Amino acid sequence: EAGVTQFPSHSVIEKGQTVTLRCDPISGHDNLYWYRRVMGKEIKFLLHFVKESKQDESGMPNNRFLAERTGGTYSTLKVQPAELEDSGVYFCASSQAGGLGQFFGPGTRLTVL
Amino acid sequence: KQEVTQIPAALSVPEGENLVLNCSFTDSAIYNLQWFRQDPGKGLTSLLLIQSSQREQTSGRLNASLDKSSGRSTLYIAASQPGDSATYLCAVMTTDSWGKLQFGAGTQVVVTP
Repeated sequence: EAGVTQFPSHSVIEKGQTVTLRCDPISGHDNLYWYRRVMGKEIKFLLHFVKESKQDESGMPNNRFLAERTGGTYSTLKVQPAELEDSGVYFCASSQAGGLGQFFGPGTRLTVL
Repeated sequence: KQEVTQIPAALSVPEGENLVLNCSFTDSAIYNLQWFRQDPGKGLTSLLLIQSSQREQTSGRLNASLDKSSGRSTLYIAASQPGDSATYLCAVMTTDSWGKLQFGAGTQVVVTP
């Protein structure tokens, strides 16, 4: 069984540009989560999808971040326009319906110059 | 507001010694606590998940205990090996935020041959 996959693994962009990160959860997992770790800080929750619906988006830092999960399968996280403080590693995780254990992807390292 | 603390931040032990990693949390109203391992540049690998009704979980050389009343969990790794070198993270899911994991900053472990 394939694990959670994320694309790209690395992204380097200029301040003001747009970047879109993609996450493919484990097949059949209804729950999908986005987290991020910025330099020197602990991993922080961004949001939680149940199928295509946003269950909890309390961790989204501001309206420059837009997450979507069309059809309840893969998810994208768009940052527009990117700022320097958005640099960090963005993790995606998924879990089964009602499942407590979350399985994480390898992360996307975003660098904003 | 839940706060998760991991002490020590870093630990170095000779091969063969037992490892003891600590995690404390301020809000005892949790669904579960999960221990992860992260290797440099990689994603998070789930090691053990302890549900709130459980006192401990074991997998091979790993044993994790949970004491909700005191807000503590301990991860024991018996007979450490150089391959155990990694960063270990604990994360809690509180009852008022199902799905949202709150992470500690991690303990960086080095096992020397």
